[in-house]
Amino acid sequence: SQQGEEDPQALSIQEGENATMNCSYKTSINNLQWYRQNSGRGLVHLILIRSNEREKHSGRLRVTLDTSKKSSSLLITASRAADTASYFCATEGGSEKLVFGKGMKLTVNP
Amino acid sequence: DAGVIQSPRHEVTEMGQEVTLRCKPISGHNSLFWYRQTMMRGLELLIYFNNNVPIDDSGMPEDRFSAKMPNASFSTLKIQPSEPRDSAVYFCASSSRQGQQVQYFGAGTRLSVL
Repeated sequence: SQQGEEDPQALSIQEGENATMNCSYKTSINNLQWYRQNSGRGLVHLILIRSNEREKHSGRLRVTLDTSKKSSSLLITASRAADTASYFCATEGGSEKLVFGKGMKLTVNP
Repeated sequence: DAGVIQSPRHEVTEMGQEVTLRCKPISGHNSLFWYRQTMMRGLELLIYFNNNVPIDDSGMPEDRFSAKMPNASFSTLKIQPSEPRDSAVYFCASSSRQGQQVQYFGAGTRLSVL
């Protein structure tokens, strides 16, 4: 069964704008990860946030985690056309397995 | 490092034929995962190995699917006999415990069963 659910399922923005994606999950986790998938490619890891962390930054990416609400958000600042991709959240609950959401399609228009 | 290598990239076959997908994980990684991705069901974990041993195969759809990992540098996913509903993109990924379970994906095999 799917653990993470991304919201919205699709987002279209203009270059330079910020993009925010949300992820909700159901059970306790060790960490939550975000991945990107370009069309026709495999998933690429973006950022990992541990269950005892609330916020993490990596370049133009900012991830927050609220374990009380079982939710996470991924913010991409100053978006670029190259950010156009599908984004997935994935949760790891201590078994080495990652459970992925269905993904969210981001389109950044030049 | 070349990353996770999957072959073939594309496979077109007829219903009833045997299909074998191959994966070479990143050297030094001790966990290997097989996923299937479709529009309807998203990304599904089929099976994963740790130190070449199958740990969880609960995602394998049915007995037509089998996976092996004879050594640390090679794994296969076999479908016999194949059916049109098996058409999907199959991904292999690997990870290491030192890497906090971050998974590195191959480029995938796009399977079409006619």
